[in-house]
Amino acid sequence: AQKITQTQPGMFVQEKEAVTLDCTYDTSDQSYGLFWYKQPSSGEMIFLIYQGSYDEQNATEGRYSLNFQKARKSANLVISASQLGDSAMYFCAMREGWGTSYGKLTFGQGTILTVHP
Amino acid sequence: DVKVTQSSRYLVKRTGEKVFLECVQDMDHENMFWYRQDPGLGLRLIYFSYDVKMKEKGDIPEGYSVSREKKERFSLILESASTNQTSMYLCASSVTGVATEAFFGQGTRLTVV
Repeated sequence: AQKITQTQPGMFVQEKEAVTLDCTYDTSDQSYGLFWYKQPSSGEMIFLIYQGSYDEQNATEGRYSLNFQKARKSANLVISASQLGDSAMYFCAMREGWGTSYGKLTFGQGTILTVHP
Repeated sequence: DVKVTQSSRYLVKRTGEKVFLECVQDMDHENMFWYRQDPGLGLRLIYFSYDVKMKEKGDIPEGYSVSREKKERFSLILESASTNQTSMYLCASSVTGVATEAFFGQGTRLTVV
């Protein structure tokens, strides 16, 4: 079964507006970590934000925030005040917390975000 | 700065060749990963190593093997390259745990002809 699902292959947003990129995950572990990465056209993978399964507050890093709904197993990325430089591929990922899979990192299919001027 | 270095940026190999993709990290990380990235499929985990000589299969290990003889180096081996292994290959490393991000290499674009 897919562990990380990103259902939006592509998203469009107007510059300066906010956008939400969806991510749902599947795990039976109690302890796990959720991550978002950005991959610009240059191909590098840039870490954006982390949320732990036991964290009660939603994570925030500058213009990035993570809308964590544990019961729904969703970890959506919210980008506020979009900029042209935000145009990129975005990946949601999860690290597992049990057994020999401890620390194993699994990614979703990705969402291509295009910011229009 | 953490550095993860993949031996080649671009590689062209012939069908049936044995191919080695090398990855070296300089931060003493226990965990290392090999992924392939294909359009519409995201990053799919091929193999994961949680310590020297220790490995675990990812989601798509068929046709691949790995070697981790030293902590800093994680090699991906295509025993007999096939055209369906044409892809972007990404290596990553991290410390052990669920709360730490992974650091990525620049990727190797492999074309099998």
